[in-house]
Amino acid sequence: AQSVTQPDIHITVSEGASLELRCNYSYGATPYLFWYVQSPGQGLQLLLKYFSGDTLVQGIKGFEAEFKRSQSSFNLRKPSVHWSDAAEYFCAVGARQAGTALIFGKGTTLSVSS
Amino acid sequence: EPEVTQTPSHQVTQMGQEVILRCVPISNHLYFYWYRQILGQKVEFLVSFYNNEISEKSEIFDDQFSVERPDGSNFTLKIRSTKLEDSAMYFCASSEIADPYEQYFGPGTRLTVT
Repeated sequence: AQSVTQPDIHITVSEGASLELRCNYSYGATPYLFWYVQSPGQGLQLLLKYFSGDTLVQGIKGFEAEFKRSQSSFNLRKPSVHWSDAAEYFCAVGARQAGTALIFGKGTTLSVSS
Repeated sequence: EPEVTQTPSHQVTQMGQEVILRCVPISNHLYFYWYRQILGQKVEFLVSFYNNEISEKSEIFDDQFSVERPDGSNFTLKIRSTKLEDSAMYFCASSEIADPYEQYFGPGTRLTVT
């Protein structure tokens, strides 16, 4: 069955510290991979995506993610967290076909302490 | 920057009533989607829509649900005979022909069924 696992429900990081949010997926073929962020009262904003090529992808707001096929992982990283990064982060996968569903993980809530 | 909009932001309805959730996708987008997120659970795909037809639907999207593009700008989700378990945040998304895999999400409509 297709699924996305985000093992960490809640993470607290000190401002300025590095961040890594984990994402593992189970999918029949190599999917397209996404990270979305949701701030309170807001919709889901795309941080970055992986389709093919370089397995390290850069996104907005200083985020990056690395696709590791052997581990079926797509972990999100940021070298220095800012208080404004506090939000909920969702990993998602989608088929390589237009107009199809995204499958989301349960999300990781990031809190940033000062 | 163009964005997906949804109305209302919050809808309260009584069990058994019909509701219509409205979305205005980004103007040049031709793929449309509905997702829902029950409180504390993951975002789940409901349906995708292209060229005035349903492209894909999930098991959740049964006869209780329907979608429509009544004019050139709106995309609606109708839920008939609402149940308590329909209470959720409903997200609309859209994507364009040139990059159909990147879905842009609206802020969501919180539906509360009492």
